[in-house]
Amino acid sequence: AQTVTQSQPEMSVQEAETVTLSCTYDTSESDYYLFWYKQPPSRQMILVIRQEAYKQQNATENRFSVNFQKAAKSFSLKISDSQLGDAAMYFCAYRPGLTFGTGTRLQVTL
Amino acid sequence: ETGVTQSPTHLIKTRGQQVTLRCSSQSGHNTVSWYQQALGQGPQFIFQYYREEENGRGNFPPRFSGLQFPNYSSELNVNALELDDSALYLCASSPGTRGRDEQFFGPGTRLTVL
Repeated sequence: AQTVTQSQPEMSVQEAETVTLSCTYDTSESDYYLFWYKQPPSRQMILVIRQEAYKQQNATENRFSVNFQKAAKSFSLKISDSQLGDAAMYFCAYRPGLTFGTGTRLQVTL
Repeated sequence: ETGVTQSPTHLIKTRGQQVTLRCSSQSGHNTVSWYQQALGQGPQFIFQYYREEENGRGNFPPRFSGLQFPNYSSELNVNALELDDSALYLCASSPGTRGRDEQFFGPGTRLTVL
């Protein structure tokens, strides 16, 4: 069975600074997808970024980028120029099956 | 384009009762997945429906059951409610079951079992 581990229950970053959220996973599959989802207090899960395992190039979406290390089974999320609206729970997820980690609560301070 | 909607928003039941939660999928999506998210935890996969057939199930007992209708909307039914069933129930729709098919989530139904 696939497992997803997020070892940082909470992180804090100052506005305009950069923060990195960690995620590791375990799988015996060679073809899979990895995702970072954001869940603000409104509860609606929003896709932030995704990575196909067969692609070596790290995905980027504006201020969000990932560091995908397939051999190490690591998939971290970097948020640059953090904004107050980035404050939320962030979940790392693995697909097929969409297995989620336990989440990291990100606080953004002035 | 209408997104994924869920009803009701909140629900309070007592132990032993039965509950039905509803989800309307996004236009053009034929796949619906249901998740249970306990307080402070990540979502746990309950099951997935593809074109009205169950297409995968997580580690949940049979008292968790579902349906998908011809218009691809879906229901989650939970019988014999237990206190531990208190959680946020999320529905997500996608255009297919492939790994690259993005799942779009609804706002969830908060179920409280007393």
